Amino acid sequence: QVQLVQSGTEVKEPGASVKVSCKASGFIFTTYGFSWARQAPGQGLEWMGWISGNNGDTNYAQKFQGRATLIRDTSTNTVYMELRSLRSDDTAVYYCARKYMRSPLDDWGQGTLVIVSS
Amino acid sequence: DVQMTQSPSSLSASVGDRVTITCRASQGISNYLAWFQQKPGKVPKLLIYAASTLQSGVPSRFSGSGSGTDFTLTINILQPEDVATYYCQKYDNSPLTFGGGTKVEIK
Repeated sequence: QVQLVQSGTEVKEPGASVKVSCKASGFIFTTYGFSWARQAPGQGLEWMGWISGNNGDTNYAQKFQGRATLIRDTSTNTVYMELRSLRSDDTAVYYCARKYMRSPLDDWGQGTLVIVSS
Repeated sequence: DVQMTQSPSSLSASVGDRVTITCRASQGISNYLAWFQQKPGKVPKLLIYAASTLQSGVPSRFSGSGSGTDFTLTINILQPEDVATYYCQKYDNSPLTFGGGTKVEIK
């Protein structure tokens, strides 16, 4: 069955970087793209960016351009989201989700809590 | 970028009521509109895509309509298990913007 399994909770100090992983299984990795979204405590969903599982093409929400990097590893069917220069308002649950071409986000990872605190 | 505006931001209704949530896009997005349900502490779940197509396994009391800029999610005969926050999202092209969410509670 389709699974997206994310890495565990991270606690980081302001100014640090975090790298969250999302390991895919149960489908052909290179036929899908992967979006990342986040949700701050008590807030709504915020789309961050997308990466192609096929060729690694990316695009980012303007807000995260230059501070977030999405990469993928086809040898392990894993996508990664790195966010740099962390601030307290980056504290959120980060989700990966798969996307097939012009279809919606149909399967999601379980979420990774990132806490930014000194 | 296209903005997605949901209304209301919250609502309270009785079990058995019909509930309607609207989502408006600042520019036309054809029917590339999805609705998600997120229960407290849980992962968002795809309910409807292509504005009106029910995802497999979703109860038929949920329905969607609309095209272009104006979309609607309807819950017929509201059930206690429908307590959640509902989000719309455009998925035609990047950015895949979400609406602000509508929190549904039972009166």
